[in-house]
Amino acid sequence: DQQVKQNSPSLSVQEGRISILNCDYTNSMFDYFLWYKKYPAEGPTFLISISSIKDKNEDGRFTVFLNKSAKHLSLHIVPSQPGDSAVYFCAASAPNDMRFGAGTRLTVKP
Amino acid sequence: DTAVSQTPKYLVTQMGNDKSIKCEQNLGHDTMYWYKQDSKKFLKIMFSYNNKELIINETVPNRFSPKSPDKAHLNLHINSLELGDSAVYFCASSQDDRANYGYTFGSGTRLTVV
Repeated sequence: DQQVKQNSPSLSVQEGRISILNCDYTNSMFDYFLWYKKYPAEGPTFLISISSIKDKNEDGRFTVFLNKSAKHLSLHIVPSQPGDSAVYFCAASAPNDMRFGAGTRLTVKP
Repeated sequence: DTAVSQTPKYLVTQMGNDKSIKCEQNLGHDTMYWYKQDSKKFLKIMFSYNNKELIINETVPNRFSPKSPDKAHLNLHINSLELGDSAVYFCASSQDDRANYGYTFGSGTRLTVV
């Protein structure tokens, strides 16, 4: 029951370029979407979120876009930095429930 | 000063044993959770708990039980451990049960059942 999918297990980009991580969901009851960043041997860290009533939320180098009709969201990181290298989890929230994608491993090369 | 702390970080144990993983949060959050990261790296909800109710994912075997002595703690007890229980378990907390401001996760407990 994969209600949240991240179809790209990995992504590699050059430092300074844009990183685009994608996420799809199936349940229209989700009304809040979040991105988490995870370093090895650590728990996921909250990065940025977006309400379903918005289509864009920006925080510094990070922007999340939501396309409700397509049930798709994306995380843009620009410019990408080597310290951004981590696993990024997409999550979708409903009351008392949060579902996570399998994650995308981002590698930013110097 | 760790916000959500889990102990132990690593746990190796034999099949059939009973074990516990402890979780404490010092954020004053109302809701705590246990997640299991499976072999495919999915984070799957096991339990969510606040002072009002315990919500259990019905797919979780009843060998798993959460125990909350107070608002700041949610421990995970596992009886009769099986090989398939091997995984990384994450504790998390949030300001409210909507979690719209994100969860704060612990660093995880890697459980290995041999």
